[in-house]
Amino acid sequence: DQQVKQNSPSLSVQEGRISILNCDYTNSMFDYFLWYKKYPAEGPTFLISISSIKDKNEDGRFTVFLNKSAKHLSLHIVPSQPGDSAVYFCAASGGHNTNAGKSTFGDGTTLTVKP
Amino acid sequence: ETGVTQTPRHLVMGMTNKKSLKCEQHLGHNAMYWYKQSAKKPLELMFVYNFKEQTENNSVPSRFSPECPNSSHLFLHLHTLQPEDSALYLCASRWNSYEQYFGPGTRLTVT
Repeated sequence: DQQVKQNSPSLSVQEGRISILNCDYTNSMFDYFLWYKKYPAEGPTFLISISSIKDKNEDGRFTVFLNKSAKHLSLHIVPSQPGDSAVYFCAASGGHNTNAGKSTFGDGTTLTVKP
Repeated sequence: ETGVTQTPRHLVMGMTNKKSLKCEQHLGHNAMYWYKQSAKKPLELMFVYNFKEQTENNSVPSRFSPECPNSSHLFLHLHTLQPEDSALYLCASRWNSYEQYFGPGTRLTVT
C-alpha cells in the first residue's frame, strides 16, 4: 500500500506560467511534508517543506499548500523557468517514522518547462 | 569536498561478484540512509543508521550488507546479486531536521 502518491507522472508547462504538482497521502499520522527536486545523474535536493500546523509555506517562486482534511499537498512554481525542468518528489514524515527521521516518498513527477 | 559523495558512480557486476558501494558525508550529520530507486518506482528505504547504529532494516535481502564504521561513512556490500537488483542506489544523511541530503547515487547494473 503506497502511502504517498503522485498521480501525475509528468507535467509540461510553458515558461513563465504556473506549474502545479500534486501529492496525496493516506497516513493521517504524517505531520511534516517535503518536496525534493532531482536532475538527471544527481541525487534529490531538498526544495521546500511544510509542517502540518501550517497550510502554506512560501520560498521565493515556490509555494507548498497543505490540505489536511483532504490529505493533499501541492507545490506551485511561479513563474516556471526552463531550469525548473526536473523530477519532483513529494515526501512525508512523522508518526512512527519520527524517531528514525524516515520519510516516505512518492513516485515523482517529471516537470518539463518549455521555453 | 562538501556534501554527500558516493563512489563509484557506475558499477557493472556479475551475479557471482562481490562489490561495495561507498558513501561519505562532510556535513557533520548523525544519521545516514541507503535507498534504492528502480525505474518508475518511488525511492525505497533500505537501511537507516543513527549515530553509527543500525535502526532500520526495511526487509532487505541478506545479499545487501550495510556497514557504518563511523558517522561520516556508510558502505553497502553486495554479493550474489540478481538482475532485478539493478537500480540507482542513493545515500543520504540528516541532522536533526527532517530534510535529507542526498549523494549523486551509484548506478548499478547486474548482468
